[in-house]
Amino acid sequence: DAGVIQSPRHEVTEMGQEVTLRCKPISGHNSLFWYRQTMMRGLELLIYFNNNVPIDDSGMPEDRFSAKMPNASFSTLKIQPSEPRDSAVYFCASSIDRGRAYGYTFGSGTRLTVV
Amino acid sequence: GQQVMQIPQYQHVQEGEDFTTYCNSSTTLSNIQWYKQRPGGHPVFLIQLVKSGEVKKQKRLTFQFGEAKKNSSLHITATQTTDVGTYFCAGDTGRRALTFGSGTRLQVQP
Repeated sequence: DAGVIQSPRHEVTEMGQEVTLRCKPISGHNSLFWYRQTMMRGLELLIYFNNNVPIDDSGMPEDRFSAKMPNASFSTLKIQPSEPRDSAVYFCASSIDRGRAYGYTFGSGTRLTVV
Repeated sequence: GQQVMQIPQYQHVQEGEDFTTYCNSSTTLSNIQWYKQRPGGHPVFLIQLVKSGEVKKQKRLTFQFGEAKKNSSLHITATQTTDVGTYFCAGDTGRRALTFGSGTRLQVQP
């Protein structure tokens, strides 16, 4: 298995531009999570899906952030418009049964820089 | 909301010394998980503890879950340079996704 696949690995964009991050979870995993990691705030949960349905989006910072999971093999996290404070590493993770047996498998992350 | 605190934030040891990181949750947990993130990498699942007072070992790593299921520890015996990284605990209350602790960054001097 190729693991959780995220793209792009790095993204540099100008303030005000739209940014779309992509994630392909492990086949057969029914839970998907988006986390953001910064030095100041550590690993923060943004949103999680179970069976493609958003269960908890209370971590989404504001209306500029949106996430979709149109099918079991693909999810996107969109920021529009982007701001410098959105600069961070964004991780996607997937798991079976909300990770209660085998934990989460993380992707390699997308390092986003907004200038 | 739920908070998970870890101490210390950072520890620098000589190779061969032991290392311990502690994790405390503001709420009772259904289980706790531990992850390791190498510099520039992503978190990798190490282990899950479920039962009150549970102790699990993985080679030189020993994980404990407190009796009240609100705290946990990870102990590494005789550290090696390959142990370098940040160790995170992550608490599961059963109602939400995992809440990650702030992490302990371990540096091992050869």
